Order: sequence, then structure tokens, then C-alpha cells
Amino acid sequence: AQTVTQSQPEMSVQEAETVTLSCTYDTSENNYYLFWYKQPPSRQMILVIRQEAYKQQNATENRFSVNFQKAAKSFSLKISDSQLGDTAMYFCAFIPPRAGNMLTFGGGTRLMVKP
Amino acid sequence: NAGVTQTPKFQVLKTGQSMTLQCAQDMNHEYMSWYRQDPGMGLRLIHYSVGAGITDQGEVPNGYNVSRSTTEDFPLRLLSAAPSQTSVYFCASSSTGRSGNTIYFGEGSWLTVV
Repeated sequence: AQTVTQSQPEMSVQEAETVTLSCTYDTSENNYYLFWYKQPPSRQMILVIRQEAYKQQNATENRFSVNFQKAAKSFSLKISDSQLGDTAMYFCAFIPPRAGNMLTFGGGTRLMVKP
Repeated sequence: NAGVTQTPKFQVLKTGQSMTLQCAQDMNHEYMSWYRQDPGMGLRLIHYSVGAGITDQGEVPNGYNVSRSTTEDFPLRLLSAAPSQTSVYFCASSSTGRSGNTIYFGEGSWLTVV
């Protein structure tokens, strides 16, 4: 069974600064996918970024990037130039190969961006 | 496109009542699933389906039934509601078994059991 751990229940950052959210996971699989989802107060689940385990290059999406350390089973999310609209819950999620949409989620990190 | 549509959005039930949360998708996706999200926690998988007529249990299936008679619909039934089932429920769909495919989530159904 896979587990996903987010060790930071809450974090805050000043607007325009950079923040890093941590995620570790445990799996015996070699190929898998990792995701970061954003959940604003509306509870909508918004995909932020996706990483394929067999790709060594870290994924980036505009102001969002990841630091994927496969050997350490670590998958952190860096948000650059933080904006007020980034305030939300952030969930790290794991999915093994051929698992459709059966995600395993971490417990979440509540991020507050302060003006 | 409507994407993934969940109804109702809000519901209050009394302990022991039964109800069905509806989920429909218009993207012809084979894979559908139901998650629950308790306060301060991540989503946990209740049941999933890999196609019409095929369902299976996820991490927290007790107290819930599902069926998949069509590709489009995947209803979640609460047999006898309990306060422990107070949660936000999400339906999700994706096109194939490839894990890298985009997963589409509904907007959630907020259920309170009193």
C-alpha cells in the first residue's frame, strides 16, 4: 500500500516571496505519477502540476515547480512570486501505474499568502 | 462541456436515512471513482469503476454502495446514514487506465448527517 505524508499542516508566505511545500511518499513501485492539487475555499480540486517518476527532469508550470527526488521519495512544490490567489489547501497525491484515477492523497498543507 | 456533474451539492440527512449522490460525466470516460474528504484531511477513495458493470472497493467502502449501469453515471448510495459519514464527497473520472491521464473532479457534494 502507498502512503503520502505532508509534514507541514500550515504555512504562510509574504506576497511575492517563494515558498516550498514538502511531500514524502512510500511505495514499492518503480514507475508512478505524482501530483500537486490546489483546493481553494470553494473545495474545487485544481491540478497544479504533475510529475512522471521515470522522467528525471523536474516538472514546471509557470510559477510552480517541483523538486522530485526519487531515491529519497520526496516531491516538494515550490511556488515562486506568491500571489494572494495562491491561498488554499495543497494536496500531494500519488498514483501507481495502470490505476486509472485511484489516487492516494496526503493530509494537505494550508497555505496562507499575506499581503 | 459539463465535465463531471455532482448532485445534490448540499444535503442534510437524519441518522438512519438513505440517499443517493449522483455523478454524471459527459466525456465518455471509462474510469470513475468516489472520494470523501473529512475536515482537515485529504481525499480517501470509497469505490471505483473501470467501466460499465464493473466496480470495486477503495480504502473506505463501508456504508456505501455503488453501481455502474452506464458509462456516464456512477451513483453512490448511503444505505443507513451515520454521523461519521458527514463529509464532502467528490466524484472523479478519467479516460483510461493510464495513470498519467488528466483526472477530472466534480465540484463536491457536502453531506451532513445529524
